[in-house]
Amino acid sequence: SQKIEQNSEALNIQEGKTATLTCNYTNYSPAYLQWYRQDPGRGPVFLLLIRENEKEKRKERLKVTFDTTLKQSLFHITASQPADSATYLCALDPTQDATDSWGKLQFGAGTQVVVTP
Amino acid sequence: SAVISQKPSRDICQRGTSLTIQCQVDSQVTMMFWYRQQPGQSLTLIATANQGSEATYESGFVIDKFPISRPNLTFSTLTVSNLSPEDSSIYLCSVRTTGELFFGEGSRLTVL
Repeated sequence: SQKIEQNSEALNIQEGKTATLTCNYTNYSPAYLQWYRQDPGRGPVFLLLIRENEKEKRKERLKVTFDTTLKQSLFHITASQPADSATYLCALDPTQDATDSWGKLQFGAGTQVVVTP
Repeated sequence: SAVISQKPSRDICQRGTSLTIQCQVDSQVTMMFWYRQQPGQSLTLIATANQGSEATYESGFVIDKFPISRPNLTFSTLTVSNLSPEDSSIYLCSVRTTGELFFGEGSRLTVL
């Protein structure tokens, strides 16, 4: 069966350090992978999309890598701040559609990040 | 981008009743998606709602329990029928534009 696995334990990190989150998947061949942020009581908010032919993607202090051989994506928050505290979700399209026209995403359970001053 | 409004934001319902959740989008979209997020868990796709056709349900979700309407390109409703405590969850509607999903704020349902 298809699985998306993220660390279930909260990641506690000191302000200024780099937080690294892992997303592993099995029985998928995704054309792309997405990362979302979710704050308590709110809907998820899109952060980054990385395609299968991209090794790395950056957006401000965020960096995502995608290794289709290892079936793994790493999500990095550099120079972390208390405002980065949230749950981070990775998501895959199980239909292997590379056209971005479908939109049916499946989500991992998320990893909570807590950044302390 | 898309701005999504959901109503109600929260509700407490009695067992056996139904709750209808409304989702309004500020632009026309072809597909709308309904997700459920049970306490402490991730999002599970319930169904995809296309305008002018019946919704497509994921495994484990049926139309009798989760009827969906999609009368136009900016609006959809999800009804959770014959409520039981196991239906206590957050229900989220979402739409997709250029690549990512945009979500509403969610509707938190508590069933007593």
